[in-house]
Amino acid sequence: QKEVEQNSGPLSVPEGAIASLNCTYSDRGSQSFFWYRQYSGKSPELIMFIYSNGDKEDGRFTAQLNKASQYVSLLIRDSQPSDSATYLCAVNSINQAGTALIFGKGTTLSVSS
Amino acid sequence: GAVVSQHPSRVICKSGTSVKIECRSLDFQATTMFWYRQFPKQSLMLMATSNEGSKATYEQGVEKDKFLINHASLTLSTLTVTSAHPEDSSFYICSARVSGLQKYTGELFFGEGSRLTVL
Repeated sequence: QKEVEQNSGPLSVPEGAIASLNCTYSDRGSQSFFWYRQYSGKSPELIMFIYSNGDKEDGRFTAQLNKASQYVSLLIRDSQPSDSATYLCAVNSINQAGTALIFGKGTTLSVSS
Repeated sequence: GAVVSQHPSRVICKSGTSVKIECRSLDFQATTMFWYRQFPKQSLMLMATSNEGSKATYEQGVEKDKFLINHASLTLSTLTVTSAHPEDSSFYICSARVSGLQKYTGELFFGEGSRLTVL
């Protein structure tokens, strides 16, 4: 069973702080990794994707990937109350239909003003 | 990003009836669409992979006769929940992967989701 694990939280940070979200995955063959943000009652929206070991930065967001440790993280700098949401880690995995994204349960982030 | 439209956004039905949910890719072609289900405070669970012009591939534990998937064109996939029961009440979300455009490299784009309530 291919799994994606996340701490469900809630993770609470004050406005302006750095929020650090972590994710581990079981499928060593996975090659692409995604972070989605989901507001309550809404569908997920893509924040970032990363394929190579190391860091990838996009504005206030930095994704970090370590394939040897099967670990991917998302850092949010200068956190804002509007960042309060559930963050889903997703890993591309091969199944009988080809490839599909397997999601973690998500980490709930709360940014207080 | 690419736009995926899902309809209806909310539906309430009586137990035993069937409900159809549509998923359309508006500005791109999608040879593959995915149907997910999400219960409250749970993760997205992949139900099935839908390929244009062929039968859908269902994940283990998902009843293919209950959740009928049709992917008749490169821009439309439908999910029909047949003989719905209260335990089928959930948030159903479709997603699509862009085909043939180099700037997209595997990410999924999601529809708005359909909240089904079976009374």
